[in-house]
This record gives sequence, structure tokens and C-alpha cells, in this order.
Amino acid sequence: GENVEQHPSTLSVQEGDSAVIKCTYSDSASNYFPWYKQELGKGPQLIIDIRSNVGEKKDQRIAVTLNKTAKHFSLHITETQPEDSAVYFCAATTGFQKLVFGTGTRLLVSP
Amino acid sequence: NAGVMQNPRHLVRRRGQEARLRCSPMKGHSHVYWYRQLPEEGLKFMVYLQKENIIDESGMPKERFSAEFPKEGPSILRIQQVVRGDSAAYFCASSPDVFSNYGYTFGSGTRLTVV
Repeated sequence: GENVEQHPSTLSVQEGDSAVIKCTYSDSASNYFPWYKQELGKGPQLIIDIRSNVGEKKDQRIAVTLNKTAKHFSLHITETQPEDSAVYFCAATTGFQKLVFGTGTRLLVSP
Repeated sequence: NAGVMQNPRHLVRRRGQEARLRCSPMKGHSHVYWYRQLPEEGLKFMVYLQKENIIDESGMPKERFSAEFPKEGPSILRIQQVVRGDSAAYFCASSPDVFSNYGYTFGSGTRLTVV
């Protein structure tokens, strides 16, 4: 079955810096890769996703890249703000199957 | 569109009691997934259901846990004879029926505390 690894487990940056979180997956059949942000006491919230027919996707300060050959994908947050502080999860699936999550990255943005 | 609705938000049970967690998917979604999250940990898949069918229960403990998604009404995750180790946040997600549009949406979760 699918296995997703995520690094780093914690990431501290200064406000305005960029943050990068990386994930690798094992199942070459996976074709959908969402990223979720989870704030304390809340459910995961989808922030961006990418499908396997696309190499990069951007939404304002957030971007995701996918390398199918290497089976890894990354989340890039530019111009970080304190409200970006949260736990971020990557996930992978073949679609209409369970999402398999990474172990999470706790991002702390210091003012 | 009200999103994925879970209730109750918080549930306290004594050891040995039963816990019933409810999940109403988004309108038009007939695929429901349950996940468990222990404190400071990631999301672990439990079960995937469609209306009246369990599709994948590979993450469900073999004993005390069951799930259903009836033709009418919400999906129910049932935990019998709860133990302290069942204390966790339980999240439900739903996805739409159109194969080309995945979009898993999560609810706010039920936080179960076993005392």
C-alpha cells in the first residue's frame, strides 16, 4: 500500500521568509496530492492540491510542485506570516480510495 | 453548502460505555472516510464507506469498532466498551461522486475523552 513520508517535522522561520515542506510517496499509481493545514482544535483544511498531470500549481503565496519520476512533491509558502503557523499535512491517493497522510510538519512563523 | 458536519464536537465517556460519532457528508457527496488522530500525531485512516456499503475497513480495529452509512441519515462510527486508549479526535471526510473531482473535505471532528 501507499506510504507517505514528510519532512521536516518542525520548521521555524521568521516572518517574511519562505518555508518548504517535502513529501515522498511510494505508490506510482497515486495521482492526487493534496495539502492540508490544521490549526489547533480544528479539522484539516485543504489549502492546495495537485494532480499527476501537472508539475506545478500556484495560489497566491502557496505553491506545490510534483516530480512523478522521483515520487516527491513539495509545498512552498512565500512571505510567511504569523497566521501561517499551523501543522501542515501532505497526502496521496489514487482517487476514490483512502487518503494516506504524511506525519505532519509543525510550522512556526515568528514575528 | 454547510460542509461536512460532525457531532458531537466533544464526547466524554466512562470506560466500558459506548461512543457514537455522527458524520453528515457535504451535499452531493456519497463517499465518507473516517480518520483518527491521537494527540500530537497524524491522521490514521480507519474506514471508507459509500451508501450502505463498507468499501475499505483496513484501518479499523478488529474488535469494538464498527461503522455504517445507511441509505438515509448520517454515517455512524460506533465504539463499544471504550477504553482510555480510544481517547482521540475522530475526523470524517467526504468526497464527491464525479470521479474526476476528488476534493476530500473534512469536518471539524469529534474529540472523544474516555475517563
